[in-house]
Amino acid sequence: GQNIDQPTEMTATEGAIVQINCTYQTSGFNGLFWYQQHAGEAPTFLSYNVLDGLEEKGRFSSFLSRSKGYSYLLLKELQMKDSASYLCAAGVGGATNKLIFGTGTLLAVQP
Amino acid sequence: ETGVTQTPRHLVMGMTNKKSLKCEQHLGHNAMYWYKQSAKKPLELMFVYSLEERVENNSVPSRFSPECPNSSHLFLHLHTLQPEDSALYLCASSQDRSEEKLFFGSGTQLSVL
Repeated sequence: GQNIDQPTEMTATEGAIVQINCTYQTSGFNGLFWYQQHAGEAPTFLSYNVLDGLEEKGRFSSFLSRSKGYSYLLLKELQMKDSASYLCAAGVGGATNKLIFGTGTLLAVQP
Repeated sequence: ETGVTQTPRHLVMGMTNKKSLKCEQHLGHNAMYWYKQSAKKPLELMFVYSLEERVENNSVPSRFSPECPNSSHLFLHLHTLQPEDSALYLCASSQDRSEEKLFFGSGTQLSVL
């Protein structure tokens, strides 16, 4: 079967660092996506990892280990505006792509 | 602004009503999608259109009927819905069917009474 696991909720302090983990078990795997979704808004693309390792993009970084079926999203220098839901999704298609989403991790950043 | 616009943002309907959700993308993409997002559940893929042709229907009840008149517009026609259909309905687009990076609209929050 296809399964994505990520924590339901997390809380962190403004200015701190937080790591949101995601594990996946899928048949077929093309890469791992992270999306950010503020309440009442569209999910927006954050990152896409195909190869193992860390990809850094400003305050956000994403890591992938294909052998372990594991990814994380690292948010540094947290700001209040980072309070949102973070969706992990595995691409499992080939010519007909398909994304399998996790339930999302609701991050609350506190002053 | 993601380039994908959905209307209405909120919709309340009775179980006997007929309504339609509209999605428009301004990105020149060839593939469009409908997703359902329920509280504490993963996004569920409902329908996929590629070049105006439906290429996937994930066992969605017939009370949901999609329509794609052209590559920029996507509709979801609703009739005789059930209270459990209350959810956020998200439209998305991608460059083509093999492209996994999606651009989402803000969704229509649907409540069925």
